[in-house]
Amino acid sequence: AQSVTQLDSQVPVFEEAPVELRCNYSSSVSVYLFWYVQYPNQGLQLLLKYLSGSTLVKGINGFEAEFNKSQTSFHLRKPSVHISDTAEYFCAVSEFGNEKLTFGTGTRLTIIP
Amino acid sequence: DAGITQSPRHKVTETGTPVTLRCHQTENHRYMYWYRQDPGHGLRLIHYSYGVKDTDKGEVSDGYSVSRSKTEDFLLTLESATSSQTSVYFCAIRARDAHTEAFFGQGTRLTVV
Repeated sequence: AQSVTQLDSQVPVFEEAPVELRCNYSSSVSVYLFWYVQYPNQGLQLLLKYLSGSTLVKGINGFEAEFNKSQTSFHLRKPSVHISDTAEYFCAVSEFGNEKLTFGTGTRLTIIP
Repeated sequence: DAGITQSPRHKVTETGTPVTLRCHQTENHRYMYWYRQDPGHGLRLIHYSYGVKDTDKGEVSDGYSVSRSKTEDFLLTLESATSSQTSVYFCAIRARDAHTEAFFGQGTRLTVV
């Protein structure tokens, strides 16, 4: 069965510093991977997704993620964060041919001015 | 924004009473999902639907039932609400299966007292 682990529940980062949010997945088959962002009191919206091809995926708001099959990881990065990036970030996985979308427990990103 | 409406947005109910949450979409998407979001648990799948009258259980389905009599509506029912079902409930829709983006509603905050 597919599953996702987000190792960090909270990540504080100084403004304009780089950040990496970690995500590892588990599956016995090929997968699609997603990062979603949730701003306070809102629903989730897609940041980026990996379907196939290049392992480096670029998303909205300057975020990018790298798919590493051997490490079963899909870490999210941003070279310079802003106050507006304060939010909760969720990694999610879908197996090929599976309608279910499974989420990790989320990482709360706090930007320190 | 994807056309997803959840109702009600907030509800307080008493233990033992039945509660129905509604998710309405205007996108004609095939797949619809109900998740609950709790601190430390991320989003957990309750039930999902892959067509009219076609539904299946997620990882936390006990105490919940669903119905989908029309493409646009997906109802989540708590037959007899318990305090452990106090949560924020999100509906999501997806056009096709594993490789497509899921769009989320704004959420329903349910408190069971």
